[in-house]
Amino acid sequence: GQQLNQSPQSMFIQEGEDVSMNCTSSSIFNTWLWYKQDPGEGPVLLIALYKAGELTSNGRLTAQFGITRKDSFLNISASIPSDVGIYFCAGSYMDSNYQLIWGAGTKLIIKP
Amino acid sequence: DGGITQSPKYLFRKEGQNVTLSCEQNLNHDAMYWYRQDPGQGLRLIYYSQIVNDFQKGDIAEGYSVSREKKESFPLTVTSAQKNPTAFYLCASRIRQGRNQPQHFGDGTRLSIL
Repeated sequence: GQQLNQSPQSMFIQEGEDVSMNCTSSSIFNTWLWYKQDPGEGPVLLIALYKAGELTSNGRLTAQFGITRKDSFLNISASIPSDVGIYFCAGSYMDSNYQLIWGAGTKLIIKP
Repeated sequence: DGGITQSPKYLFRKEGQNVTLSCEQNLNHDAMYWYRQDPGQGLRLIYYSQIVNDFQKGDIAEGYSVSREKKESFPLTVTSAQKNPTAFYLCASRIRQGRNQPQHFGDGTRLSIL
């Protein structure tokens, strides 16, 4: 099945640093979603985006729906230890009956 | 509390055995999904159901079966035909009405081979 290109695959950061990750697709999407997964748990929705150009924040997290509708990014400001985990992007388009297409994830690791 | 409950948390399968993973939701969601997650990969769709008594194959349905007899329940059976069943299995659900509502997930079942 189709996958999104999500990068980077992993990130080693210092506490307090800002983080940026993105997803790109060859298809035009009408929805972008960002999830976070902790070990041994299910993904939790962070931000949902429905309109090209939309910029949405959730606390220290900010995500944008790209103007071309083929990409999205997620920023985390002033990272803290509980930000550690795997972040997934997912997109859908109307012709797919709103089934989600998933990125492979970005693993965020805090340097000791 | 409203939510999606998956059970068991851990499951072991013997060779040639069928096992069934439970997924129950009390969110009154219409659609339900089963995903498989392998290390370093995104989620892959096994089966999904938009309404009761109806379901469709996802990208990797071979070796799996489902039923949707009740709105709140969507069990997944991993059959003996699935030769590499070791993975983390995730169930999700969503509302169908209105704009494209996001999927919400249970906490998963980890299946291993004995």
